Amino acid sequence: EPEVTQTPSHQVTQMGQEVILRCVPISNHLYFYWYRQILGQKVEFLVSFYNNEISEKSEIFDDQFSVERPDGSNFTLKIRSTKLEDSAMYFCASSDNRELKFFGPGTRLTVL
Amino acid sequence: GENVEQHPSTLSVQEGDSAVIKCTYSDSASNYFPWYKQELGKRPQLIIDIRSNVGEKKDQRIAVTLNKTAKHFSLHITETQPEDSAVYFCAASSREDSNYQLIWGAGTKLIIKP
Repeated sequence: EPEVTQTPSHQVTQMGQEVILRCVPISNHLYFYWYRQILGQKVEFLVSFYNNEISEKSEIFDDQFSVERPDGSNFTLKIRSTKLEDSAMYFCASSDNRELKFFGPGTRLTVL
Repeated sequence: GENVEQHPSTLSVQEGDSAVIKCTYSDSASNYFPWYKQELGKRPQLIIDIRSNVGEKKDQRIAVTLNKTAKHFSLHITETQPEDSAVYFCAASSREDSNYQLIWGAGTKLIIKP
C-alpha cells in the first residue's frame, strides 16, 4: 500500500533558526496537510493545500510558517524563526478526496 | 468554531471486554466524524469514520454511533485484544466545502489488561 513519507524523522535546531520539514505525499493525491502534535496533546491542524495554493490555515499557522510544493512531488513546511514552543511532532498527510486517511510517520522537531 | 470533547482520557479494560469512548461536538453543521488510532511513537491511522446521514457503522470489532440531536458520537470496540492498546482520537469536520480542517479530541489512552 502506498504511504506518505517524511524527512527527517528527527530535527534538532537552535531557537531562531529556520527549518524545513519535507513530505512526499501519495502520488495521485490532490489534498495535502500539515498537522502538529505537542507531546501528549491533541493533534492540531496547521494548513491544507490544494491546487498549488493554501486552501485553509489555522491560527497556529502564522507568518513564521509557509508551505510549498516545489517540484510536484515534495510538500514542505518551513518555519522561519523557530521558537521553543514549536517543538512538536509534525505530521504531513494527503488524500485523494476530503477523507483524511493517510498520515506520514512524522518529524519530531526539537527546538533548543 | 467547532469544539470536540472526548472522554475518558484513560480507559483500562480487561482483555475480551468491550471499550467505549465518547465524544461530543459543538457545531451542529459538522457532518464528518473520523476516529484515529495512534500507537506510541507512530502516525495516526484512520480506523473508522461516519457521516451525518448515518447513525451507525460497523467494521468487524469496531463500531461507531452518531447521535446528531445530542451532538455526540462514540467508538465501540468489542472483544478487546492487547493490540488494541493505543491512543484513540475522535475528530469532527463542519464544512462541506472545506478540505476537512478536522478538529480533534484530546485523545483516550486505551489500556488492555491481559
